[in-house]
Formats: sequence, structure tokens, C-alpha cells
Amino acid sequence: GAVVSQHPSWVICKSGTSVKIECRSLDFQATTMFWYRQFPKQSLMLMATSNEGSKATYEQGVEKDKFLINHASLTLSTLTVTSAHPEDSSFYICSARIHRGLLTDTQYFGPGTRLTVL
Amino acid sequence: DAKTTQPNSMESNEEEPVHLPCNHSTISGTDYIHWYRQLPSQGPEYVIHGLTSNVNNRMASLAIAEDRKSSTLILHRATLRDAAVYYCIGNAGNMLTFGGGTRLMVKP
Repeated sequence: GAVVSQHPSWVICKSGTSVKIECRSLDFQATTMFWYRQFPKQSLMLMATSNEGSKATYEQGVEKDKFLINHASLTLSTLTVTSAHPEDSSFYICSARIHRGLLTDTQYFGPGTRLTVL
Repeated sequence: DAKTTQPNSMESNEEEPVHLPCNHSTISGTDYIHWYRQLPSQGPEYVIHGLTSNVNNRMASLAIAEDRKSSTLILHRATLRDAAVYYCIGNAGNMLTFGGGTRLMVKP
């Protein structure tokens, strides 16, 4: 099956610091990866769509200068939370899309990264 | 993406079948129906997807109504490990929009 990993699985940082989260597709190439955020007892909210070799597309209300996304290869996308504050504490989840040449494609999700900003 | 409606929660007994309903009355002709589930503190896990015909895989079955306005995810024998939030998503293309999902509780 398709496996997506994330690193780190959890991180605690001080307010004002930056945190980088990696998302890797381990056994397939993903031209498109997605970043989601999930607050406690809520559903997943899409933050941005990341395409290999081009700029990410951010959802409305998501600050692109705060959440930096880089998708430099077909198997790796990174999300950097810059100048993190306590309100950025959340569960960050990435997914990678397998393109099957159909009208829809399947996304496979990473295990998530829990960020706690003190 | 089609708007989907699911019950907030459902209960099942272990070893019994579970039928998780989803209404998607605004679904378009090219929208696929996807099901994912999420265990606590984990990323969502792909379960199944389909367009018009019923679909089966090793995890579950997906029964799609003839008018495509609703579908049912069927777990044939629920286990304690099936306790999760199940999301039904209608989409075409590459974006998934998650609703509230159904929290399935499995009683031993």
C-alpha cells in the first residue's frame, strides 16, 4: 500500500521560534501533496495544496508568509511554521495524492505531527 | 465538492455488521464518494471509494444508491479496532473536504 510518513511526530517549541515538519511519500511519487490542520474535537481543515516544483496554493485565511511550504521533490514536502505562537498549536497532517488517471485520485495521509507552542 | 451529511455518532456491538449512512443529495455526476476513517491522534486512513457501482475491498463494502444521493459504508464484522471517526466525502479531482464525520463506538 501507499505509505506517507511525517517527521517529527510531535514537537514542543517556545513562542517565536520556527518549526519545520517533513512529509514523505515512501513508496510512490506524489506530484501533489496537501497540508491539513486539525484542532481538538474538530475535523480536518485544508491549509494548502503543494505541487512539486511550483508555489503552493493556500486556502482562504491561511497566511502564506507564516506557513511556508516547499515541495522540492516528488517524495518530499515541508511545512515550516514561522514565529510560532500558542494559537498555532494543533495537529498538522499531510497527504499525498496518487494519480490514477481517473476523474478522482486517492489521497494517503501521514500519521500527523502534534505541535505545541509554549 | 458535494455537501455530505452523516450522523454524529453510532454504536455497534463487536462482531456484528455496521452500516454507516451518508447523504450527498447535491452530488454531481462526476463526484466520487470517498470514505476515510481516523483513529485518535492519527492521520485519516483510506477505506474505500466508488462512483456508481457497489464496491468491495478487504476493509469494507460501499453501497451506493441508484440515484447516488446516498451511500452506506458496511463493515461486515466490527472489531474494537474499527472504533474511529468515519468521514464520507464527495469530490471530483484532487481536493477532499472533510465534514464532521460519524464517530463509531464498538462495544465488546
